[in-house]
Amino acid sequence: EDQVTQSPEALRLQEGESSSLNCSYTVSGLRGLFWYRQDPGKGPEFLFTLYSAGEEKEKERLKATLTKKESFLHITAPKPEDSATYLCAALPYGGSQGNLIFGKGTKLSVKP
Amino acid sequence: DTGVSQDPRHKITKRGQNVTFRCDPISEHNRLYWYRQTLGQGPEFLTYFQNEAQLEKSRLLSDRFSAERPKGSFSTLEIQRTEQGDSAMYLCASSPEWVGRPGGYTFGSGTRLTVV
Repeated sequence: EDQVTQSPEALRLQEGESSSLNCSYTVSGLRGLFWYRQDPGKGPEFLFTLYSAGEEKEKERLKATLTKKESFLHITAPKPEDSATYLCAALPYGGSQGNLIFGKGTKLSVKP
Repeated sequence: DTGVSQDPRHKITKRGQNVTFRCDPISEHNRLYWYRQTLGQGPEFLTYFQNEAQLEKSRLLSDRFSAERPKGSFSTLEIQRTEQGDSAMYLCASSPEWVGRPGGYTFGSGTRLTVV
């Protein structure tokens, strides 16, 4: 069964304290791995798409990487405005293009 | 481009009532998706359209749920005879036909449904 697991469930950082969020996936062939940010009461906001192992993408303080079994979202010198829930989703081959499989998310809190 | 719009933002209804939500996708996107998200969970796929054709429905989409996308533009999601377990955030997303293009799926802000 296709599955995405994110860890930790919650992460509390001090401003400037770098860390990483993990996304482990088990799918029947990966078409794409997506990272989203979600603020309370809002819809997910697109961050990155990764397609193949070894691929990396960066945006401001965020960097996403992909291996054959997991993806990491590295946060460098976070600021309080980075506080949000970060969602990872896998799009497997063999299914429709609609069926993104999401993890439960990591809730990040950054304290000043 | 104003992004994906959903209406209403919040809906409170009594158990047994019918509700309908609307989604207006990004105009140049021909694919439209509905997801449901409960507290502390990631979004779960419900159904998706390419233009006006509904191409896939999840097992989560019981007979009480129906979605339409007339003319391949906006979409509606109707829930008949609502139950308390239907309380959730209903998210709409759209994408170009090839999701590999930058931006992937663009989500709306969602409709928060509370069944009392």
